[in-house]
Amino acid sequence: GQQVMQIPQYQHVQEGEDFTTYCNSSTTLSNIQWYKQRPGGHPVFLIQLVKSGEVKKQKRLTFQFGEAKKNSSLHITATQTTDVGTYFCAGWDRETSGSRLTFGEGTQLTVNP
Amino acid sequence: GAGVSQSPRYKVTKRGQDVTLRCDPISSHATLYWYQQALGQGPEFLTYFNYEAQPDKSGLPSDRFSAERPEGSISTLTIQRTEQRDSAMYRCASSLATPNTGELFFGEGSRLTVL
Repeated sequence: GQQVMQIPQYQHVQEGEDFTTYCNSSTTLSNIQWYKQRPGGHPVFLIQLVKSGEVKKQKRLTFQFGEAKKNSSLHITATQTTDVGTYFCAGWDRETSGSRLTFGEGTQLTVNP
Repeated sequence: GAGVSQSPRYKVTKRGQDVTLRCDPISSHATLYWYQQALGQGPEFLTYFNYEAQPDKSGLPSDRFSAERPEGSISTLTIQRTEQRDSAMYRCASSLATPNTGELFFGEGSRLTVL
């Protein structure tokens, strides 16, 4: 079945440093979503990417969807302590997984002030 | 309602007991998902509903797990004869969009501990 993998599993940065998490799918995705889960909280939707090669920005966050629609990345510029949490990518693959949204294992980000 | 509501927030039970978890989605949302999330892991798909229909329950780990959404709104997830390996956070999410697209709104989850 479809698998979604994320690296790294953990990332520790100093406040002000940049951060990137990478997501790879075993199958071609229809679209991909990113979620943020704060410690003790629930996943909260950040963005959805649909088109091959798409790039979207939200303030200090930049999201990319690969040309082959099998990988994605989230880049945070100049991290802040409010960025702490676990970032999950989640992919739809209509052909192999129907309506199942498959989540990656997440990248847990800690930011040292 | 204003958001997705789940109850109970915490449930401790003894091995072999049955438990039922409840999800009240956002009122206008047709699609409802159940996920299981172990500590430090990503959410794992269990099943989903489109209104009252349950097109995909392939993620349910065994026949001890079942879910219902009889009137297309509130949903329950029942685990029969609980085992210690069932201990996890169970998350419900709803979506306004049809399946395959649109953001999921997650509830706070129900943390199940099986002793």
